[in-house]
Amino acid sequence: GQQLNQSPQSMFIQEGEDVSMNCTSSSIFNTWLWYKQDPGEGPVLLIALYKAGELTSNGRLTAQFGITRKDSFLNISASIPSDVGIYFCAGQTASSNTGKLIFGQGTTLQVKP
Amino acid sequence: GAGVSQTPSNKVTEKGKYVELRCDPISGHTALYWYRQSLGQGPEFLIYFQGTGAADDSGLPNDRFFAVRPEGSVSTLKIQRTERGDSAVYLCARGLAGRSEQFFGPGTRLTVL
Repeated sequence: GQQLNQSPQSMFIQEGEDVSMNCTSSSIFNTWLWYKQDPGEGPVLLIALYKAGELTSNGRLTAQFGITRKDSFLNISASIPSDVGIYFCAGQTASSNTGKLIFGQGTTLQVKP
Repeated sequence: GAGVSQTPSNKVTEKGKYVELRCDPISGHTALYWYRQSLGQGPEFLIYFQGTGAADDSGLPNDRFFAVRPEGSVSTLKIQRTERGDSAVYLCARGLAGRSEQFFGPGTRLTVL
């Protein structure tokens, strides 16, 4: 099925560093969501974005809805060990009227203390 | 948790057998979604319920897969004649009509031997 292109696939960083990841699509999206998934758990919603250009923060996390409506970015500032996990972008296309989400392949984040 | 419980947490079955996976969301959420997550991938949409009816079943891979939600709360995903390729984590998510946010349960890990 259709998936978003998410990059990078994985990151290994030092504690305290900032992190950036992004998601792109060939289709226009009405909504972008960012989730974090820990092993053996379901994805947990971090941030939801609804308008092109929107910039939203949740603690040390900041996400942006791209102006073209075909991309989104997530930044994590001053990373800590508990940020370890898999981050997924997800979106709803402009043509969808059922709310189903299309997910990226995920970015695996590892933080070295 | 996210207000969604899923049972069983793990299910091991043999090829050709029938399985049922259950999703129990907290009350008041009329929208319910099933996704399938293969190893190393993001979740992929299977089916969406609005109340008791399946409003979008376009993600079901074939007619071996079927889902019901007879009273508009608990949902059951049914897989007939299981195949090894059905092995995955099956995730259920709740949502509110007209809202984009979806909140996931912990998933059921299905292994078909």
